[in-house]
Amino acid sequence: GNSVTQMEGPVTLSEEAFLTINCTYTATGYPSLFWYVQYPGEGLQLLLKATKADDKGSNKGFEATYRKETTSFHLEKGSVQVSDSAVYFCALSLPPTQGGSEKLVFGKGTKLTVNP
Amino acid sequence: NAGVTQTPKFRILKIGQSMTLQCTQDMNHNYMYWYRQDPGMGLKLIYYSVGAGITDKGEVPNGYNVSRSTTEDFPLRLELAAPSQTSVYFCASSHIQGSQETQYFGPGTRLLVL
Repeated sequence: GNSVTQMEGPVTLSEEAFLTINCTYTATGYPSLFWYVQYPGEGLQLLLKATKADDKGSNKGFEATYRKETTSFHLEKGSVQVSDSAVYFCALSLPPTQGGSEKLVFGKGTKLTVNP
Repeated sequence: NAGVTQTPKFRILKIGQSMTLQCTQDMNHNYMYWYRQDPGMGLKLIYYSVGAGITDKGEVPNGYNVSRSTTEDFPLRLELAAPSQTSVYFCASSHIQGSQETQYFGPGTRLLVL
């Protein structure tokens, strides 16, 4: 079946440090890939997405590149801020044209804490 | 637009009680979803709906029921609350199927069953 595996947390960094959160996926077709972010006490928000191989999603200084050869979609940011402290979820979806149902399949989430 | 709204924000139930979690969206989205989020876990899909009058089971539907009488509303019903249903519940909506549109999430309802 379709699944997402992301690195175990929690991750604790100092402000301005480089961030990488690993995400790999298993899918029967060619999924769309997403990173969602959940700030404390809030619902999930889309951070970025990529819909085909070699696409790069970017937003708020975060980037992730869809790597079909390694089935990965690692999240990176060059210089994190305290305000980036949140839980980050990697997810995939497959459209019905590829035998999927458009529903999101989530990883377990990675909690990031950035200290001043 | 308010987006996706959920009520209540927090509720404590006794075992065996029932309640309805409300979800409303004002974006005229076809698709709506209910997820539960347990500590240290990702989101699990409970039920979803592709339009008014149409609902279907997700990954973990047991103990829950839904209805979709209007495009805007998608309530989730717990008939006989159990401690295993202690969780945070998120409602989400998205646009038409196949467009790979973003899902928009509500702020969540935290439920504690004692």
